[in-house]
Amino acid sequence: DSGVTQTPKHLITATGQRVTLRCSPRSGDLSVYWYQQSLDQGLQFLIQYYNGEERAKGNILERFSAQQFPDLHSELNLSSLELGDSALYFCASSPGQGKNIQYFGAGTRLSVL
Amino acid sequence: GNSVTQMEGPVTLSEEAFLTINCTYTATGYPSLFWYVQYPGEGLQLLLKATKADDKGSNKGFEATYRKETTSFHLEKGSVQVSDSAVYFCALSDPQGAQKLVFGQGTRLTINP
Repeated sequence: DSGVTQTPKHLITATGQRVTLRCSPRSGDLSVYWYQQSLDQGLQFLIQYYNGEERAKGNILERFSAQQFPDLHSELNLSSLELGDSALYFCASSPGQGKNIQYFGAGTRLSVL
Repeated sequence: GNSVTQMEGPVTLSEEAFLTINCTYTATGYPSLFWYVQYPGEGLQLLLKATKADDKGSNKGFEATYRKETTSFHLEKGSVQVSDSAVYFCALSDPQGAQKLVFGQGTRLTINP
């Protein structure tokens, strides 16, 4: 058990809908990272937050947004969903911004039908 | 930009065989290098890491050495077991990009008894 909790484990929804994925980092970790794993793109970095502030952005679509709350949990919001958004979404956390190991949650599998 | 290239899979071996999974990288600066493992239906687990040139990471019989001269971080194990069947990802942490992880495409390993 990595200590990173992601909910829900599975999400099935329809095109055009909006969903929210939740991540609770390990106790004491200030950084949260979001990654997308898909068959065609592999594992891609989406966005990083550190202590509530956005710090880095990757290949994140404009339809996607995220935030980190004062209690350090994070949410990834995906809107106007398309079939191609079907993927496994991982959250990872680390203590800070230096050369820290990232610990991954079990992921949320999103299926857009 | 930074990138990681892994040997093409899938790889199928017999139990007790020697394993090598090749990984090469392109990066500016001095990244840390990682091997993560994903067992069926689970999230990513850190297998081993190396933070500077000539460092050797090791865990559970797996080893990898950070070779700056050949920009490589090949994963090796002397005698594989059926329980090693999983997908293995080589990754680097981007020192210029808030330490986000850049992953290779993954190598699926199957060990037959």
